[in-house]
Amino acid sequence: ETGVTQSPTHLIKTRGQQVTLRCSSQSGHNTVSWYQQALGQGPQFIFQYYREEENGRGNFPPRFSGLQFPNYSSELNVNALELDDSALYLCASSTTSGGGNEQFFGPGTRLTVL
Amino acid sequence: KQEVTQIPAALSVPEGENLVLNCSFTDSAIYNLQWFRQDPGKGLTSLLLIQSSQREQTSGRLNASLDKSSGRSTLYIAASQPGDSATYLCAVSDNFNKFYFGSGTKLNVKP
Repeated sequence: ETGVTQSPTHLIKTRGQQVTLRCSSQSGHNTVSWYQQALGQGPQFIFQYYREEENGRGNFPPRFSGLQFPNYSSELNVNALELDDSALYLCASSTTSGGGNEQFFGPGTRLTVL
Repeated sequence: KQEVTQIPAALSVPEGENLVLNCSFTDSAIYNLQWFRQDPGKGLTSLLLIQSSQREQTSGRLNASLDKSSGRSTLYIAASQPGDSATYLCAVSDNFNKFYFGSGTKLNVKP
């Protein structure tokens, strides 16, 4: 069974640029959630995708957007990058979108915005 | 809005000690509570999942308890080892499986 994978591992961008991060969910999982973790903080929920539809969103501006594909992999897109977007971006997959399901996290993508 | 607090923020203990990490949450309407381990610069490794109807879960030297009505959970680590050094995060989920995280407890186990 393959776990959650993310790419790339590290990324350096400059302010104003756009970035796309990718996540492959664990086999059999149809729900992917994205989190942003600033240094020294706990992860903050960005949004969740369930069967290719956005299924809940945290307190993040519209320049954070996403997609989920038929194979349940997912992308996180961030436009007009700001310095504060520098963080570890984590994706997590679970078997369904309902409460009570264990989430499995990927290794994360470290984004640095200069 | 759900808020999760973890105390202490950092903990340093000698090898072999038993220790307790604390987690509290403000809204008791949770679906589950999950404890994670995070090594520096890495992703999250799930340690224990406690469903809202359960009181505790055990895995090896780890035991997690949940008191939903009082909004508290503890993670007990027995006979700590240097390899246990990491940041420990607790998270509670709502009915959409959105997780709310604490800021973590950074544990250092000295040889």
